[in-house]
Amino acid sequence: EVQLVESGGGLVQPGSPLKVSCAASGFTFTSNWLNWIRQAPGKGLEWVASINPDGSNTYYPDTVKGRFVVSKDNAKNTGYLQMNNLRSEDTAMYYCARDRGLPWGYFDYWGQGVMVTVSS
Amino acid sequence: EIVLTQSPTTMAASPGEKVTITCRASSSVSYMHWYQQKAGASPKPWIYDTSKLASGVPNRFSGSGSGTSYSLTISSMETEDTATYYCQQWSRNSLITFGSGTKLEIK
Repeated sequence: EVQLVESGGGLVQPGSPLKVSCAASGFTFTSNWLNWIRQAPGKGLEWVASINPDGSNTYYPDTVKGRFVVSKDNAKNTGYLQMNNLRSEDTAMYYCARDRGLPWGYFDYWGQGVMVTVSS
Repeated sequence: EIVLTQSPTTMAASPGEKVTITCRASSSVSYMHWYQQKAGASPKPWIYDTSKLASGVPNRFSGSGSGTSYSLTISSMETEDTATYYCQQWSRNSLITFGSGTKLEIK
């Protein structure tokens, strides 16, 4: 059974960093892209990062480019999202999701999410 | 960036009523995917590659479309279909974008 379990969320002050994790199981972690999608309270879904299977390529929207860094440790079957210089508008539930594969861009498994709150 | 515009934003349907949610893309896309999200839960894959139902999705749901216009249809609304539905696309230039969501309620 495919499972994605996020952890590491919490309350942080503006300008602080935070790293959240996504532990994967039930599939070959080196075969699929891993993505992060966030949802601010009461708002819609926003894609924030993608990483290819071997971790050599990463992609971000302009809203987080330069502040967020996605990575993965294939030996630990775990993905990470390092968030730097956090702002109040980064407050959201953060989900990791697996990309199905070719054709790209369909998220067939999602984690339960981890809450990140940025507030002083 | 490819912008996805969903309509309506919110709607209410009676049990048994036919429901259609539309998603218009600012540029042509190859496929559209749809997710269902209930309050307090993670999004669930619902329809992929425009018209294929994800595992466990009732066959009263269907998806269609091409180019810049896509839709999700429920042939006969049921109480359990109450949720927010999001469309989503991937393109090589624009990467990943979601629609703003359609909240569907039961009358």
